[in-house]
Amino acid sequence: AQSVTQLGSHVSVSEGALVLLRCNYSSSVPPYLFWYVQYPNQGLQLLLKYTTGATLVKGINGFEAEFKKSETSFHLTKPSAHMSDAAEYFCAVSASGGYQKVTFGTGTKLQVIP
Amino acid sequence: DGGITQSPKYLFRKEGQNVTLSCEQNLNHDAMYWYRQDPGQGLRLIYYSQIVNDFQKGDIAEGYSVSREKKESFPLTVTSAQKNPTAFYLCASSILVGGGADRADTQYFGPGTRLTVL
Repeated sequence: AQSVTQLGSHVSVSEGALVLLRCNYSSSVPPYLFWYVQYPNQGLQLLLKYTTGATLVKGINGFEAEFKKSETSFHLTKPSAHMSDAAEYFCAVSASGGYQKVTFGTGTKLQVIP
Repeated sequence: DGGITQSPKYLFRKEGQNVTLSCEQNLNHDAMYWYRQDPGQGLRLIYYSQIVNDFQKGDIAEGYSVSREKKESFPLTVTSAQKNPTAFYLCASSILVGGGADRADTQYFGPGTRLTVL
């Protein structure tokens, strides 16, 4: 079985400050890992993903995430928060399990304070 | 432009009624999915389909039904048996990655349908 845990359902940062959203996963096989962003009343949009290879993954809008196998983590970071980053962020994992399934975390709402 | 469309954007249902949510994609993806989103619970998988005329139950399939008669279309019916249907419903599609480690690659999402029971 696979699972994802996002630490902190709400995170607040000041504009210009570092953004750090935490994600830990569980998987019995090498995972694919994803971060998605959702703006109010919209669908999810892919920010970045890790499949194989380089463990530091760069995505859109200045976000990046690092796959750390030893810590089973895939935390999302951005050096300087912008007001437009305020949204809900979902971490997700995909692993072989007899059928194709992506498991999503419960989400972290990011508030950016001017 | 390629993408996924969902309609309607807002839907209101009376108690005891069945309603059908539309999902269409022109990305030529094999797999399609329906999720339900409730505040604080993330996304929960209702049904998914990997190929035409075949679909599988997800984690919360009770009270829902689907069909997959065409590759491009995966409609979801919320039946009167679903006791708490008020939620935001998201449709998604993806390619499938095979080669001995079958798994879903990036899922592309539609804009969602907000269903409210009156």
